[in-house]
Amino acid sequence: QVQLQQSGPGLVQPSQTLSLTCAISGDSVSSNSFAWNWIRQSPSRGLEWLGRTYYRSKWYNDYAASVKSRISINPDTSKNQFSLHLKSVTPEDTALYYCARDTRLGYGFQYWGQGTLVTVS
Amino acid sequence: DIQMTQSPSSLSAFVGDRVTITCQASQDIRSYLNWYQQRPGKAPNLLISGASNLETGVPSRFSGTGSGTFFTLTISSLQPEDSATYFCQQFHSLPPGGAYTFGQGTKLEIK
Repeated sequence: QVQLQQSGPGLVQPSQTLSLTCAISGDSVSSNSFAWNWIRQSPSRGLEWLGRTYYRSKWYNDYAASVKSRISINPDTSKNQFSLHLKSVTPEDTALYYCARDTRLGYGFQYWGQGTLVTVS
Repeated sequence: DIQMTQSPSSLSAFVGDRVTITCQASQDIRSYLNWYQQRPGKAPNLLISGASNLETGVPSRFSGTGSGTFFTLTISSLQPEDSATYFCQQFHSLPPGGAYTFGQGTKLEIK
């Protein structure tokens, strides 16, 4: 059974960098079959896919256009985890952040972390 | 990005009622549509993929139909544990070049 455990601060100051980590058990961040995603949820923006990292003989990243200039998602194979870094945050980045693994063939999201409420203030 | 619009935004129904939620896409997405259930304080849970395919373990009272731009999620006989928010999500336009996008959600309450 795949489990995702999130960690990171719940409060970030404006203009600083939001950093969260998602530790994986029951699967590998280096899997050739799945991608590892970050999704956030807020009353104003709803559910918003932010980006993903995945390995297909080499590492790839895809990011949402809305955050592309500020985001990086990085795998850590030694710890079997991946991280989100969102720089230059504003109060509009206040949200519940989830990590998630996609389904086979990448059509949806099958496993989710517990969520981390991040407040920018 | 493809915009997904759900209606209603909220509804209230009795146990045993038949409930229908709709989702409209801003362009043709064929059958590339998923439905999720999110209970309070929990992450979303994938219920239906490809517009009509129930995920393993999902009760048969849930069903999904539609293609193109109009989709429905139906609960044939509402149960107390179905109180949740429901989201649609398209996977027709995916990264790179596109993005997974979600509807704004429909909050379902039991009377």
